[in-house]
Amino acid sequence: GENVEQHPSTLSVQEGDSAVIKCTYSDSASNYFPWYKQELGKGPQLIIDIRSNVGEKKDQRIAVTLNKTAKHFSLHITETQPEDSAVYFCAASIGGFNKFYFGSGTKLNVKP
Amino acid sequence: GAGVSQTPSNKVTEKGKYVELRCDPISGHTALYWYRQSLGQGPEFLIYFQGTGAADDSGLPNDRFFAVRPEGSVSTLKIQRTERGDSAVYLCASSSDRRDVLTFGAGSRLTVL
Repeated sequence: GENVEQHPSTLSVQEGDSAVIKCTYSDSASNYFPWYKQELGKGPQLIIDIRSNVGEKKDQRIAVTLNKTAKHFSLHITETQPEDSAVYFCAASIGGFNKFYFGSGTKLNVKP
Repeated sequence: GAGVSQTPSNKVTEKGKYVELRCDPISGHTALYWYRQSLGQGPEFLIYFQGTGAADDSGLPNDRFFAVRPEGSVSTLKIQRTERGDSAVYLCASSSDRRDVLTFGAGSRLTVL
């Protein structure tokens, strides 16, 4: 089955700096890659996603890039704010269905 | 409802006991998913319902785990003879179809003593 690896496991940045989280996947059939943000005591919330026919997608301060050849994708957050502090998960799915294989998460801490 | 509702939010039980966890999806969402999240890990897929039927139960770890969705709305995850390794947060999610954006509930934290 699919295996998604995510790093770093923790990331600490100063407010206003950029943060980058990277994921790799193993199954070349995967074609949908969402990113979720999870705050303490809450369920994961979708923040951005990308499909395999697109190399990059941007939504305000958040962007995701996908390299199908290398089988890796990354989340970029610019101008970080304290409210960006949370655990971020990448995921992959085959066929674009909601059966996801999640990475192990990155705890982002944005210091004011 | 406005979001996915899960009850109980917290459940503490003893090893060997039976547990039921309930999920009330967003109204009108036909696709419903259960995931399990162990401490410090990403969620793991358990089962997917399309309407009343379990379309994919390949993630259920063993036959102690069972889930139902009899009327195509509320779902119940049932765990028999609980073990300490079952301790985790059980997340429910729903979407309007199996490719649409997935909305998660806050989860039910299960602790087996």
